Amino acid sequence: GQQVMQIPQYQHVQEGEDFTTYCNSSTTLSNIQWYKQRPGGHPVFLIQLVKSGEVKKQKRLTFQFGEAKKNSSLHITATQTTDVGTYFCAGILSGGYNKLIFGAGTRLAVHP
Amino acid sequence: DAGVIQSPRHEVTEMGQEVTLRCKPISGHDYLFWYRQTMMRGLELLIYFNNNVPIDDSGMPEDRFSAKMPNASFSTLKIQPSEPRDSAVYFCASSYFGGQRYGYTFGSGTRLTVV
Repeated sequence: GQQVMQIPQYQHVQEGEDFTTYCNSSTTLSNIQWYKQRPGGHPVFLIQLVKSGEVKKQKRLTFQFGEAKKNSSLHITATQTTDVGTYFCAGILSGGYNKLIFGAGTRLAVHP
Repeated sequence: DAGVIQSPRHEVTEMGQEVTLRCKPISGHDYLFWYRQTMMRGLELLIYFNNNVPIDDSGMPEDRFSAKMPNASFSTLKIQPSEPRDSAVYFCASSYFGGQRYGYTFGSGTRLTVV
């Protein structure tokens, strides 16, 4: 079945270091969304990418959507302790379906 | 807007008992989703509704699970009978236009423990 793979599963960084998580789909995606879940919280929508090769920035966060619309990445520059949480990518299949398929998430720990 | 509201926040029940989880979506959202989150399986989509009509329930684990959406402002997820392996956090989410513009808004979840 359709899967959205995400790596790494865990990432520990020192505050100030950069962080990147990668997402791959076995099939073409209509779009890709990114969510952040703080420990004990619920997923919160960060951004959506729709166009092939699209790049979007939110302050220290940079999101990319691959040319083939099968992969995506989230890069955080100079991590802060407030960045702690699990980052999920989620894709909607091409073809008119409206359900998000979530990756397993990357848990980020930031050491001060 | 108060966001997506789920109740209860925590539920502890004994194996074999019936459990009902409740969700009030954001007013005006036309899609509602039920997800289950566990360490082992991550976020799994159980079922989703569009304009109160169930569209895809292929993620519902088995016949013990059922979901309803009697109107645009209320949905329930019922487990009968409950089993220890049903222990998880259950999230309800709602969206406008299937989430393809502004993403999903999740509720705070219900942490279910079946003992």
